[in-house]
Amino acid sequence: VQLVESGGGLVQPGTSLGLSCAASGFSFSDYGMFWVRQAPGRGLEWVAVIWYDGSNKYYADSVKGRFTISRDNSKSTVDLQMSGLRAEDTAVYYCARGHSDSWPNYLDFWGQGTLVTVSS
Amino acid sequence: SYVLTQPPSVSVAPGKAARITCAGNSLGTQAVHWYQQKPGQAPVLVVYADSDRPSGIPERFSGSNSGNTATLIISRVEAGDEADYYCQVWDSSISWVFGGGTKLTVL
Repeated sequence: VQLVESGGGLVQPGTSLGLSCAASGFSFSDYGMFWVRQAPGRGLEWVAVIWYDGSNKYYADSVKGRFTISRDNSKSTVDLQMSGLRAEDTAVYYCARGHSDSWPNYLDFWGQGTLVTVSS
Repeated sequence: SYVLTQPPSVSVAPGKAARITCAGNSLGTQAVHWYQQKPGQAPVLVVYADSDRPSGIPERFSGSNSGNTATLIISRVEAGDEADYYCQVWDSSISWVFGGGTKLTVL
Protein backbone atom coordinates (compact mmCIF):
# COMPACT_ATOMS: atom_id res chain seq x y z
CA VAL A 1 0.00 0.00 0.00
CA GLN A 2 1.34 3.39 -0.95
CA LEU A 3 -0.29 6.79 -0.49
CA VAL A 4 1.47 9.88 -1.83
CA GLU A 5 0.11 13.34 -1.12
CA SER A 6 0.86 16.43 -3.16
CA GLY A 7 -0.24 20.03 -3.53
CA GLY A 8 0.81 21.57 -0.26
CA GLY A 9 2.46 24.96 -0.01
CA LEU A 10 2.32 28.50 1.31
CA VAL A 11 -0.90 30.37 0.65
CA GLN A 12 -2.48 33.58 1.87
CA PRO A 13 -5.51 33.67 4.14
CA GLY A 14 -8.80 33.55 2.30
CA THR A 15 -7.42 31.77 -0.73
CA SER A 16 -7.93 28.24 -2.04
CA LEU A 17 -5.69 25.21 -2.42
CA GLY A 18 -6.17 21.69 -3.70
CA LEU A 19 -4.46 18.59 -2.32
CA SER A 20 -4.26 15.26 -4.06
CA CYS A 21 -3.41 11.75 -2.90
CA ALA A 22 -2.29 9.05 -5.31
CA ALA A 23 -2.92 5.51 -4.12
CA SER A 24 -1.33 2.28 -5.27
CA GLY A 25 -0.80 -1.28 -4.14
CA PHE A 26 -4.42 -2.09 -3.34
CA SER A 27 -7.87 -2.08 -4.90
CA PHE A 28 -8.60 1.61 -4.37
CA SER A 29 -12.30 1.43 -5.21
CA ASP A 30 -12.89 -1.01 -2.33
CA TYR A 31 -11.93 1.40 0.47
CA GLY A 32 -13.11 4.58 2.10
CA MET A 33 -10.47 7.30 2.21
CA PHE A 34 -9.64 9.98 4.76
CA TRP A 35 -7.87 13.27 5.15
CA VAL A 36 -6.40 13.92 8.60
CA ARG A 37 -4.34 16.95 9.60
CA GLN A 38 -1.79 17.79 12.25
CA ALA A 39 -0.98 21.37 13.17
CA PRO A 40 2.65 22.05 14.11
CA GLY A 41 3.39 20.52 17.49
CA ARG A 42 -0.22 19.38 17.90
CA GLY A 43 -2.22 16.18 17.71
CA LEU A 44 -4.16 14.50 14.94
CA GLU A 45 -7.46 15.94 13.71
CA TRP A 46 -9.86 14.15 11.39
CA VAL A 47 -10.80 16.41 8.45
CA ALA A 48 -12.93 14.48 5.96
CA VAL A 49 -13.87 11.00 4.77
CA ILE A 50 -15.35 9.67 1.55
CA TRP A 51 -16.98 6.31 0.95
CA TYR A 52 -15.50 3.79 -1.48
CA ASP A 53 -17.87 4.86 -4.24
CA GLY A 54 -18.06 8.54 -3.34
CA SER A 55 -21.68 8.16 -2.23
CA ASN A 56 -21.12 9.61 1.21
CA LYS A 57 -18.84 12.36 2.45
CA TYR A 58 -18.44 13.66 5.98
CA TYR A 59 -16.52 16.62 7.33
CA ALA A 60 -15.26 17.90 10.64
CA ASP A 61 -17.18 20.94 11.87
CA SER A 62 -14.00 23.01 11.62
CA VAL A 63 -13.88 22.64 7.82
CA LYS A 64 -17.52 22.04 6.87
CA GLY A 65 -18.61 24.37 4.08
CA ARG A 66 -15.01 25.27 3.18
CA PHE A 67 -13.40 21.93 2.27
CA THR A 68 -14.58 19.37 -0.28
CA ILE A 69 -13.37 15.79 -0.57
CA SER A 70 -13.68 13.88 -3.83
CA ARG A 71 -12.25 10.79 -5.48
CA ASP A 72 -11.57 9.37 -8.91
CA ASN A 73 -11.57 5.59 -8.78
CA SER A 74 -10.37 5.36 -12.38
CA LYS A 75 -7.19 7.20 -11.38
CA SER A 76 -6.93 5.93 -7.77
CA THR A 77 -6.81 9.44 -6.40
CA VAL A 78 -8.55 11.27 -3.60
CA ASP A 79 -8.55 15.06 -3.48
CA LEU A 80 -9.21 17.73 -0.90
CA GLN A 81 -10.25 21.12 -2.20
CA MET A 82 -9.78 23.79 0.45
CA SER A 83 -11.23 27.28 0.24
CA GLY A 84 -11.46 30.23 2.60
CA LEU A 85 -8.20 29.13 4.18
CA ARG A 86 -7.36 30.41 7.64
CA ALA A 87 -4.19 30.52 9.68
CA GLU A 88 -5.58 27.72 11.84
CA ASP A 89 -5.70 25.45 8.79
CA THR A 90 -1.89 25.40 8.81
CA ALA A 91 -0.95 21.75 9.22
CA VAL A 92 0.50 18.65 7.68
CA TYR A 93 -2.34 16.98 5.79
CA TYR A 94 -2.31 13.19 5.68
CA CYS A 95 -4.19 10.96 3.31
CA ALA A 96 -5.18 7.65 4.91
CA ARG A 97 -7.03 4.50 3.93
CA GLY A 98 -10.09 3.45 5.87
CA HIS A 99 -10.24 -0.18 6.89
CA SER A 100 -13.44 -0.83 4.95
CA ASP A 101 -15.54 0.45 2.07
CA SER A 102 -18.10 2.28 4.18
CA TRP A 103 -18.27 3.34 7.83
CA PRO A 104 -14.51 2.81 8.09
CA ASN A 105 -13.92 2.60 11.81
CA TYR A 106 -10.18 3.12 11.68
CA LEU A 107 -7.36 4.13 9.35
CA ASP A 108 -4.99 1.33 8.45
CA PHE A 109 -2.44 2.99 6.15
CA TRP A 110 -1.23 6.57 6.00
CA GLY A 111 0.70 8.68 3.52
CA GLN A 112 3.69 10.79 4.51
CA GLY A 113 1.72 14.02 4.43
CA THR A 114 1.95 17.39 2.72
CA LEU A 115 2.43 20.70 4.54
CA VAL A 116 -0.04 23.52 4.09
CA THR A 117 0.95 26.90 5.51
CA VAL A 118 -1.59 29.71 5.57
CA SER A 119 0.10 33.04 6.19
CA SER A 120 0.26 36.53 4.80
CA SER B 1 -18.77 16.15 20.64
CA TYR B 2 -17.04 13.12 22.06
CA VAL B 3 -13.77 13.70 23.91
CA LEU B 4 -10.88 11.29 24.43
CA THR B 5 -8.38 12.19 27.17
CA GLN B 6 -4.80 10.90 27.24
CA PRO B 7 -1.96 11.74 29.63
CA PRO B 8 0.52 14.07 27.92
CA SER B 9 3.48 11.90 28.77
CA VAL B 10 4.49 8.48 30.07
CA SER B 11 8.01 7.38 30.96
CA VAL B 12 9.26 3.83 31.26
CA ALA B 13 12.58 2.06 31.66
CA PRO B 14 13.77 -0.27 28.91
CA GLY B 15 12.49 -3.80 29.34
CA LYS B 16 9.54 -2.72 31.47
CA ALA B 17 5.91 -2.44 30.43
CA ALA B 18 4.36 0.87 29.40
CA ARG B 19 0.68 1.56 29.89
CA ILE B 20 -0.93 4.44 28.03
CA THR B 21 -4.50 5.26 28.92
CA CYS B 22 -7.33 6.80 26.95
CA ALA B 23 -10.45 7.96 28.78
CA GLY B 24 -13.89 8.70 27.44
CA ASN B 25 -17.51 8.46 28.49
CA SER B 26 -18.62 4.79 28.27
CA LEU B 27 -15.54 4.13 26.14
CA GLY B 28 -15.83 0.41 26.84
CA THR B 29 -18.87 0.28 24.58
CA GLN B 30 -16.85 1.47 21.58
CA ALA B 31 -14.00 0.06 19.54
CA VAL B 32 -10.73 1.86 20.29
CA HIS B 33 -7.80 2.06 17.92
CA TRP B 34 -4.20 3.12 18.58
CA TYR B 35 -1.59 4.78 16.40
CA GLN B 36 2.14 5.24 16.87
CA GLN B 37 3.83 8.33 15.43
CA LYS B 38 7.58 8.72 15.53
CA PRO B 39 9.11 12.20 15.01
CA GLY B 40 8.83 13.37 11.42
CA GLN B 41 6.90 10.29 10.36
CA ALA B 42 3.33 9.41 9.52
CA PRO B 43 1.16 7.60 12.07
CA VAL B 44 1.12 3.81 12.04
CA LEU B 45 -1.78 1.69 13.25
CA VAL B 46 -0.56 -0.56 16.08
CA VAL B 47 -3.80 -1.82 17.65
CA TYR B 48 -7.35 -1.85 16.30
CA ALA B 49 -10.68 -2.90 17.75
CA ASP B 50 -9.39 -2.61 21.32
CA SER B 51 -6.84 -5.42 21.20
CA ASP B 52 -6.15 -6.70 17.68
CA ARG B 53 -2.78 -6.19 16.00
CA PRO B 54 -2.25 -5.46 12.32
CA SER B 55 0.15 -7.64 10.42
CA GLY B 56 3.74 -6.74 11.19
CA ILE B 57 3.11 -5.21 14.61
CA PRO B 58 5.05 -7.01 17.37
CA GLU B 59 3.15 -9.05 19.94
CA ARG B 60 4.57 -6.70 22.57
CA PHE B 61 1.76 -4.30 21.63
CA SER B 62 -1.62 -5.11 23.14
CA GLY B 63 -4.72 -3.32 24.30
CA SER B 64 -7.71 -3.48 26.56
CA ASN B 65 -10.91 -1.50 26.94
CA SER B 66 -13.43 -1.50 29.76
CA GLY B 67 -15.66 1.00 31.50
CA ASN B 68 -14.45 4.48 30.66
CA THR B 69 -10.82 3.65 29.94
CA ALA B 70 -8.88 1.95 27.18
CA THR B 71 -5.24 1.04 27.66
CA LEU B 72 -2.41 0.43 25.23
CA ILE B 73 0.18 -1.87 26.77
CA ILE B 74 3.68 -2.13 25.39
CA SER B 75 5.59 -4.93 27.07
CA ARG B 76 9.37 -5.17 27.18
CA VAL B 77 9.74 -1.60 25.98
CA GLU B 78 12.61 -0.83 23.61
CA ALA B 79 14.27 2.47 22.72
CA GLY B 80 12.62 2.25 19.30
CA ASP B 81 9.17 2.43 20.90
CA GLU B 82 9.74 6.05 21.86
CA ALA B 83 7.00 7.94 20.02
CA ASP B 84 3.68 9.72 20.34
CA TYR B 85 0.68 7.44 20.72
CA TYR B 86 -2.90 8.38 19.83
CA CYS B 87 -6.16 6.62 20.61
CA GLN B 88 -9.11 6.98 18.24
CA VAL B 89 -12.78 6.04 18.04
CA TRP B 90 -15.60 6.48 15.60
CA ASP B 91 -18.32 8.52 17.27
CA SER B 92 -22.00 8.09 16.48
CA SER B 93 -22.28 11.80 15.79
CA ILE B 94 -20.48 10.84 12.60
CA SER B 95 -17.01 11.92 13.46
CA TRP B 96 -13.69 10.24 13.88
CA VAL B 97 -12.18 11.36 17.17
CA PHE B 98 -8.54 11.27 18.24
CA GLY B 99 -7.17 11.63 21.72
CA GLY B 100 -4.68 14.40 22.37
CA GLY B 101 -1.73 12.03 22.23
CA THR B 102 0.78 10.68 24.73
CA LYS B 103 4.52 11.06 24.39
CA LEU B 104 6.25 7.86 25.45
CA THR B 105 9.77 8.39 26.75
CA VAL B 106 12.11 5.45 27.22
CA LEU B 107 14.44 6.31 30.09
